[in-house]
Amino acid sequence: GAGVSQSPSNKVTEKGKDVELRCDPISGHTALYWYRQSLGQGLEFLIYFQGNSAPDKSGLPSDRFSAERTGGSVSTLTIQRTQQEDSAVYLCASSGSGEETQYFGPGTRLLVL
Amino acid sequence: AQSVTQPDIHITVSEGASLELRCNYSYGATPYLFWYVQSPGQGLQLLLKYFSGDTLVQGIKGFEAEFKRSQSSFNLRKPSVHWSDAAEYFCAVERNQGGKLIFGQGTELSVKP
Repeated sequence: GAGVSQSPSNKVTEKGKDVELRCDPISGHTALYWYRQSLGQGLEFLIYFQGNSAPDKSGLPSDRFSAERTGGSVSTLTIQRTQQEDSAVYLCASSGSGEETQYFGPGTRLLVL
Repeated sequence: AQSVTQPDIHITVSEGASLELRCNYSYGATPYLFWYVQSPGQGLQLLLKYFSGDTLVQGIKGFEAEFKRSQSSFNLRKPSVHWSDAAEYFCAVERNQGGKLIFGQGTELSVKP
């Protein structure tokens, strides 16, 4: 596709359930990022994948959060045992090799009841 | 630690008036600097970026920004605001080695007729 895509657009889940959020980066982009946007915390970095290097997980808020990137393309962010404070918009971005500009997807709006 | 400050949480301007959104950053060297815009329910769209060179950069939709090293600022300007510019604007910095973006808290722009 032409841009970064994310699915689902919206997700409502019950506290304690696991959720998976998907990101399809721009074709050929080697770097992929996850961010979280919430009312109280603004836009926060979560995790960064660059090629075959070990991901930068420094932004993950707890061990309930994990992410993987398969085949250097699609990424899945998993939140286990969701809590109400996990409610936020989860944004994915990608960038090309040697390029610093990050291009963002439309986000997944997660609501934990 | 790197940080970004957008002092104005909310600004209202009249259509046709000029606009300046402030951004100050804290970083040991010259970072890469970005302005993004987010319309309601949408992802982030890049307006402009500064990496090096000419300190006045032009972006899309008639926006420009000026990097001032002495003031650690990267203010966004537009000479004449249109009603469609109403949105939230985010300033961000990135280490010049790549990686995560550090965002300011955002400035919400309202445009009155």
